[in-house]
Amino acid sequence: GAVVSQHPSRVICKSGTSVKIECRSLDFQATTMFWYRQFPKKSLMLMATSNEGSKATYEQGVEKDKFLINHASLTLSTLTVTSAHPEDSSFYICSATPREADTQYFGPGTRLTVL
Amino acid sequence: SQKIEQNSEALNIQEGKTATLTCNYTNYSPAYLQWYRQDPGRGPVFLLLIRENEKEKRKERLKVTFDTTLKQSLFHITASQPADSATYLCALDSAGGFKTIFGAGTRLFVKA
Repeated sequence: GAVVSQHPSRVICKSGTSVKIECRSLDFQATTMFWYRQFPKKSLMLMATSNEGSKATYEQGVEKDKFLINHASLTLSTLTVTSAHPEDSSFYICSATPREADTQYFGPGTRLTVL
Repeated sequence: SQKIEQNSEALNIQEGKTATLTCNYTNYSPAYLQWYRQDPGRGPVFLLLIRENEKEKRKERLKVTFDTTLKQSLFHITASQPADSATYLCALDSAGGFKTIFGAGTRLFVKA
């Protein structure tokens, strides 16, 4: 149980284009989903917390107009990197928390490369 | 300032030995602490959660301790195997449980 999927697993795009990443909880309902960014050999950096049916809460320094988050249902959250630039290249990971649980279950991650 | 510190140097051990990883934190008062495993290019996988009122927790070959006085958690893998080679992250709750803060992780290599 507690499986989270992410799609796509890898994406390469040209500078200036937008990329959408989907995060789905497959066998549970997630009232809260989190989006992280991870640089090589570094820790997970929380970008935003996404609650179903409400606006995402962004961490300090994360541009909400750059990283659009939509939590449309209890099993789906999307992250759109708008007008991507090479510095946005990174590993993006989502996680989801079941109701009344403390543990986060992570997706497999999406490797974004912006040329 | 708030910190979570894990040994940044990789830990190399021989198969069959016990691996011990350390997580220290400052200026946090977590209600619980978690350990995750992360393989290269993959998302973290949850291993164990230990609450502030628990001293020790076990799951198969894994054991976690939590000392709120020392502000430290130890993560042990007994009878280690090459398949245990991965990066291990500790994480603790912050902001009343609404956020989880992760350490940078310790890379473990188990040699056959």
